Amino acid sequence: QKEVEQNSGPLSVPEGAIASLNCTYSDRGSQSFFWYRQYSGKSPELIMSIYSNGDKEDGRFTAQLNKASQYVSLLIRDSQPSDSATYLCAVNRRIKAAGNKLTFGGGTRVLVKP
Amino acid sequence: DTAVSQTPKYLVTQMGNDKSIKCEQNLGHDTMYWYKQDSKKFLKIMFSYNNKELIINETVPNRFSPKSPDKAHLNLHINSLELGDSAVYFCASRLERGGYEQYFGPGTRLTVT
Repeated sequence: QKEVEQNSGPLSVPEGAIASLNCTYSDRGSQSFFWYRQYSGKSPELIMSIYSNGDKEDGRFTAQLNKASQYVSLLIRDSQPSDSATYLCAVNRRIKAAGNKLTFGGGTRVLVKP
Repeated sequence: DTAVSQTPKYLVTQMGNDKSIKCEQNLGHDTMYWYKQDSKKFLKIMFSYNNKELIINETVPNRFSPKSPDKAHLNLHINSLELGDSAVYFCASRLERGGYEQYFGPGTRLTVT
């Protein structure tokens, strides 16, 4: 079982619709969770972080965390063609004497069609 | 005024050569990382330094040697390059006592021929 799993997609979404991305993780000791957006040929860009169970909203993005189910999701409302990118789920765990380790999922490719 | 910068952006070299990649951050962070993103876009941590001290060393061939001269700089030297080393290498940084968010540099695309 991979440490962080995502559906690779592509997830095709009509413009204006809601894109729903899912991520599961295997380590119950994970403490903090992130969503990065990566355009083709570019570096990962942090778009959301979430630390406690529940929802966190930032503009058109909502992150949802359920630690009991080891599940993180990202909703993109009113999807725009500019949202077309690969979305990476990342899970952080504190490792004694080794600091914090961020483990990434394989990413979900999102295509927003006009 | 780039936050995390890397040089070079592109690197094309032949098998067996030795090359270095450099990273600098001006965010005042004290922890820096090297990641490798392969052709399947899987992003994996290689090394982490905190205040010039190596704290994470994943299963990486000994041909890869990181070095941090100070908190703001992290370099990666690769000896005897192999075809499988072709990838994009990203540097990232964070503040140890801040949040756990990491910020990435623009990447160095290494192609070994």
